[in-house]
Amino acid sequence: DTGVSQDPRHKITKRGQNVTFRCDPISEHNRLYWYRQTLGQGPEFLTYFQNEAQLEKSRLLSDRFSAERPKGSFSTLEIQRTEQGDSAMYLCASSSVGVAFFGQGTRLTVV
Amino acid sequence: SQKIEQNSEALNIQEGKTATLTCNYTNYSPAYLQWYRQDPGRGPVFLLLIRENEKEKRKERLKVTFDTTLKQSLFHITASQPADSATYLCALQGNAGKSTFGDGTTLTVKP
Repeated sequence: DTGVSQDPRHKITKRGQNVTFRCDPISEHNRLYWYRQTLGQGPEFLTYFQNEAQLEKSRLLSDRFSAERPKGSFSTLEIQRTEQGDSAMYLCASSSVGVAFFGQGTRLTVV
Repeated sequence: SQKIEQNSEALNIQEGKTATLTCNYTNYSPAYLQWYRQDPGRGPVFLLLIRENEKEKRKERLKVTFDTTLKQSLFHITASQPADSATYLCALQGNAGKSTFGDGTTLTVKP
């Protein structure tokens, strides 16, 4: 499968724990995006990389959130000290120009 | 602030009819407008992209129009089928690459 891959697909964690998600983009794509989606809403932009450089971060991305793309290939999104409000689907997408292709997402539930 | 509105949260139509979904936006000058399909629990799947200098784009049973004066896009599915039932998302994209999504319209096609 040469699409965007996200791991894990589901994560249940206790409030206050740290979680890390991984995204493997389509190999020839230099742009990588993270979005968050809650039920009944469209995806909300979190952050964006071009190669290994993080070019933009949303105000939604509090200091508990950090994202990396160390070698310009896969990316990780870490949430520290999780809160119940962090429960959502976290989507990764990659693109070269124009169209963004999404992964299947990681569903996070904070209990 | 930028705002995207998609018509009514839910649209129900009979099989074989044409579904028309609306996307209106304010305070934005997008380079591209995209339509995605999203099934429950899955990531969005790209359908069509239309550029700011294009009026219409077609792909099989799908047609998108883009009116930058009215700040509106219409998305049509002709000869609709129950398999077309899903949530359809409109997304605006600037030259930087990130997309701003509407909250989607859930289409149900009844046999």
